[in-house]
Amino acid sequence: DIVMTQSPDSLAVSLGERATINCKSSQSVLYSSDNKNYLAWYQQKPGQTPKLLFYWASTRESGVPDRFSGSGSGTDFTLTISSLQAEDVAVYYCQQYYSTPRTFGQGTKVEIK
Amino acid sequence: EVQLVESGGGLVQPGGSLKLSCAASGFTFSDSAIHWVRQASGKGLEWVGRIKSKAKNYATAYIASVKGRFTISRDDSKNTAFLQMNSLKTEDTAVYYCTTSPEDYWGQGTLVTVSS
Repeated sequence: DIVMTQSPDSLAVSLGERATINCKSSQSVLYSSDNKNYLAWYQQKPGQTPKLLFYWASTRESGVPDRFSGSGSGTDFTLTISSLQAEDVAVYYCQQYYSTPRTFGQGTKVEIK
Repeated sequence: EVQLVESGGGLVQPGGSLKLSCAASGFTFSDSAIHWVRQASGKGLEWVGRIKSKAKNYATAYIASVKGRFTISRDDSKNTAFLQMNSLKTEDTAVYYCTTSPEDYWGQGTLVTVSS
């Protein structure tokens, strides 16, 4: 199974400041035949179901604000919130869909400092 | 409007069984893979398993901890997927979500509590 490890487990950022979440996979999720990274990012706000933010590591889902960006390739990925807003308080998860089981990272809790 | 509605959760004793349903509307259910994801209270997301479409032979896959105990099935004529859970353990206690791919839709979840 591919193990997904996020860092940090939590972070507190001031409003308007940058938040950076890292996700590392135990093996590459880059599929050579299509050159795509099979990596998604989800946001889960308190009491809500998860919401897809990015797929193929960096393709933004419709409606996601452009202050969110996804990057990385192979085994190392990053979710960046360029200017944290109050509504961004949530737990963020990466998930690989390169192979089954489709494993999630343990989650990163983002709070306001 | 896309809807996924889970049902069938509840309280069950260890060793018991429960069958969850996931009723879908608003998209082409038969073309979608259906996944089950669970989340224990205060914990992270855990992918449980999936069933692919008829075009992909209804292929199923599961995490190791539920293999042999859980079975995913679907009835495309009723736009409904199922998660049959047998030999339940206390560690199976969680909210169970059904989700889809390639389009990423999620239901609101149904709570399964395994306790004596």
